[in-house]
Amino acid sequence: NAGVTQTPKFQVLKTGQSMTLQCAQDMNHNSMYWYRQDPGMGLRLIYYSASEGTTDKGEVPNGYNVSRLNKREFSLRLESAAPSQTSVYFCASSDRERTSTDTQYFGPGTRLTVL
Amino acid sequence: SQKIEQNSEALNIQEGKTATLTCNYTNYSPAYLQWYRQDPGRGPVFLLLIRENEKEKRKERLKVTFDTTLKQSLFHITASQPADSATYLCAFDSNYQLIWGAGTKLIIKP
Repeated sequence: NAGVTQTPKFQVLKTGQSMTLQCAQDMNHNSMYWYRQDPGMGLRLIYYSASEGTTDKGEVPNGYNVSRLNKREFSLRLESAAPSQTSVYFCASSDRERTSTDTQYFGPGTRLTVL
Repeated sequence: SQKIEQNSEALNIQEGKTATLTCNYTNYSPAYLQWYRQDPGRGPVFLLLIRENEKEKRKERLKVTFDTTLKQSLFHITASQPADSATYLCAFDSNYQLIWGAGTKLIIKP
């Protein structure tokens, strides 16, 4: 039982390059989330998916796209990376529908630097 | 807008003492509030959840209180140990999303 896994762990991009961050969970959770974490700031929600086939914007969606490939996988894509997207990205999942609370389980994070 | 605040300064505590961290929120009345621990280079890990109708919740050496009048939650670690050193985050629910504080770094000195 691996929980939430993310790949890659580290990535360096040049401005304008694209990449996809991968996330998978094996807890059979319906809800999945993508956050970014910057120094001195709380986790900020980029996108979330309440169930397979649905996605919704969070607080800071600009410059990102997501795909909920199936119940297990939720990917985040940067189409044209900008230095402002340098951050640590976390994927999380929760069983909100069954538990009525949003206790979230996080992956190890991806450290992204855009030059 | 809804806001959640944690002390941005690191908290230094002597081993064996009780550490108390504060989480304040404004412009909202959450149904529950959560506390997470985050170690350097890792994702947050859930610790405790307290609902609005609960005054206090305990788990081993951890205790959380929730004062809806003061709009504040306190997180206590009793008999603190160097292994408790980490950043502690609080979060409350809002419209099917969690609003997160920036976290307080706790340092337990031997």
